[in-house]
Amino acid sequence: DTGVSQDPRHKITKRGQNVTFRCDPISEHNRLYWYRQTLGQGPEFLTYFQNEAQLEKSRLLSDRFSAERPKGSFSTLEIQRTEQGDSAMYLCASSAPSGRATDTQYFGPGTRLTVL
Amino acid sequence: GENVEQHPSTLSVQEGDSAVIKCTYSDSASNYFPWYKQELGKRPQLIIDIRSNVGEKKDQRIAVTLNKTAKHFSLHITETQPEDSAVYFCAASIGGYSSASKIIFGSGTRLSIRP
Repeated sequence: DTGVSQDPRHKITKRGQNVTFRCDPISEHNRLYWYRQTLGQGPEFLTYFQNEAQLEKSRLLSDRFSAERPKGSFSTLEIQRTEQGDSAMYLCASSAPSGRATDTQYFGPGTRLTVL
Repeated sequence: GENVEQHPSTLSVQEGDSAVIKCTYSDSASNYFPWYKQELGKRPQLIIDIRSNVGEKKDQRIAVTLNKTAKHFSLHITETQPEDSAVYFCAASIGGYSSASKIIFGSGTRLSIRP
């Protein structure tokens, strides 16, 4: 499968624990995005990388959230001291440079987080 | 602030009829408008997109129209089939060319096709 992949697909954790998710973008896609989706809502933008540089982070994102893309390939999203409100589907997407400002984004299957 | 509004939230149509979903956006610099289909438990899949230099785009049974003056864009599905049942999301780019690639999603439309 050459699409965007995410690991794990499901994560159940207790409140206060730290969790880390991984995203592998489509090969040669230089842009990578993280979104959060709750039931009945559209994906909510969290942060975005171009190669290894984190270019934007949502103003609504708590300081407990951090993301990295150290080598410009895969990315990790860490949530520290999880809260029940963090329960959601965390989606990753990637896009290839097309010469346009906004490229088509392709989504991964998501990681469903449940905080007990 | 930046937002995309989507209507209706639910839509039920008879198989074979047409379905229309409408969105409005707030950022006048938006220039890219994708539509995604999401089936239960699956990832959002791009079904069609349009850029601001065109007013309409078609792909078989799916078409999207864009009215930049009114900041409206719509998805039209003709000859609906059972497999069209899903949640559909519209989205709009934010910030124009100065803020590459960020898109904001609408809240979704749950489309049901009645046999």
